[in-house]
Amino acid sequence: NAGVTQTPKFRILKIGQSMTLQCTQDMNHNYMYWYRQDPGMGLKLIYYSVGAGITDKGEVPNGYNVSRSTTEDFPLRLELAAPSQTSVYFCASSYGGGAAYNEQFFGPGTRLTVL
Amino acid sequence: AQKVTQAQTEISVVEKEDVTLDCVYETRDTTYYLFWYKQPPSGELVFLIRRNSFDEQNEISGRYSWNFQKSTSSFNFTITASQVVDSAVYFCALRDSNYQLIWGAGTKLIIKP
Repeated sequence: NAGVTQTPKFRILKIGQSMTLQCTQDMNHNYMYWYRQDPGMGLKLIYYSVGAGITDKGEVPNGYNVSRSTTEDFPLRLELAAPSQTSVYFCASSYGGGAAYNEQFFGPGTRLTVL
Repeated sequence: AQKVTQAQTEISVVEKEDVTLDCVYETRDTTYYLFWYKQPPSGELVFLIRRNSFDEQNEISGRYSWNFQKSTSSFNFTITASQVVDSAVYFCALRDSNYQLIWGAGTKLIIKP
C-alpha cells in the first residue's frame, strides 16, 4: 500500500492564483481530512469528509474548497491565493468504524508559498 | 472549549537521558481520545499512541511510556534512555465527539550526542 499520497510536494503561487492540492489514499478509509501547519504551530483542520459525497468545514475553511467524488480522492482547492495561505498542507485518512477512536494516517505534506 | 497545551516549546537533553514531554488538555466531553504524534525533521507525521478517556492505564512501548491522569487532565510522554533518532517535534492531540482533532503546538525535542 502507498498509504496517503499528496501532490505536489512544493509549490510557489502568486497572489490571486488558484491551484488544487491532490490527495489520494489506497486504504479504503472512509474519513479524510485536510490540515494546514503554520511554522512552529500544530495542525489546524481545514475540511474533512466522512465519505464520498459528504464534506464539512473544520476550524479554518475560509479560502478553500473541497470535493469528495470517490472514496480514494479528496482534493483541496485554493481560490485567489493569499500570503496568509503560505503553509504546509497535510492530507490524512482514517478508518470509518469508530472514527473517533482510530488514528489518522498522514500524507507527506505539500509546502505552499504564496508571494 | 477544547484545548491542548504543550507548554514546553523546546527541550534539549544529552543522549541517554530520560525526558518527559507534557500535555495538558481541556474538554467538556466525557468521552474523548488522546493521541501523540511524532514529526521528525523529514516532516512526516507518525502516529505513536492513542488513549481513550475510560482507560487510565499507563502504556509502555519499549523506551516510550505514557502517563494518563484524568484528575489533572494530563497525558505526558516519557522517553527513557533517549537517542539522537528521537529528535523530532512531538504533538499531543485531543479528539472530541465531533471527530475533530485539536492539536497542541508541539514540543521540539533535541537529543545531543
